[in-house]
Amino acid sequence: DQQVKQNSPSLSVQEGRISILNCDYTNSMFDYFLWYKKYPAEGPTFLISISSIKDKNEDGRFTVFLNKSAKHLSLHIVPSQPGDSAVYFCAADPSTSGTYKYIFGTGTRLKVLA
Amino acid sequence: DTEVTQTPKHLVMGMTNKKSLKCEQHMGHRAMYWYKQKAKKPPELMFVYSYEKLSINESVPSRFSPECPNSSLLNLHLHALQPEDSALYLCASSLAPGQKETQYFGPGTRLLVL
Repeated sequence: DQQVKQNSPSLSVQEGRISILNCDYTNSMFDYFLWYKKYPAEGPTFLISISSIKDKNEDGRFTVFLNKSAKHLSLHIVPSQPGDSAVYFCAADPSTSGTYKYIFGTGTRLKVLA
Repeated sequence: DTEVTQTPKHLVMGMTNKKSLKCEQHMGHRAMYWYKQKAKKPPELMFVYSYEKLSINESVPSRFSPECPNSSLLNLHLHALQPEDSALYLCASSLAPGQKETQYFGPGTRLLVL
């Protein structure tokens, strides 16, 4: 059972426009979320995180929104650049004590068109 | 600096070979992780080391043997692997084991088992 879902396997956006990547989760106990970007044959690069005590976190062009009632988070990239083309994974850090195991979504491949 | 380094970058090995993957970080992180990632799938956790001690083994076959010689180094010893073990092997580290600690990933070792 997929506890973290990224329902869009791919997304294409024009350069300069906004990219919105979505992630849904099923377990209301999850209280810390992260977004990673991954280029082919490279390791995931940490982008941004959010704790459940917040509903928004910004870092430069990247903003993550968390809607706890809907169990939904989204990553906004504004403006999108061709270098943003990559696979984006959202991950949940369960609040269960002693658990270090991130639960990853299946990823969304973003393509930013020049 | 959030750099995790991994060597080698690529590895081809036969099913009777013994090889090792190496991971290093100098960020003072006390938790280190091995993940396996197959194409178009999210990373899957294999092992977690906490303060140089193995704390989580996600039921990984014994042909994979982790080792943490010191707080900066993590090895993964490989022996008698199968072709289905071909994957990208990722190392990650975090400041401390536990919740809400961001994991930083290395670039990975792409392993091909013939």
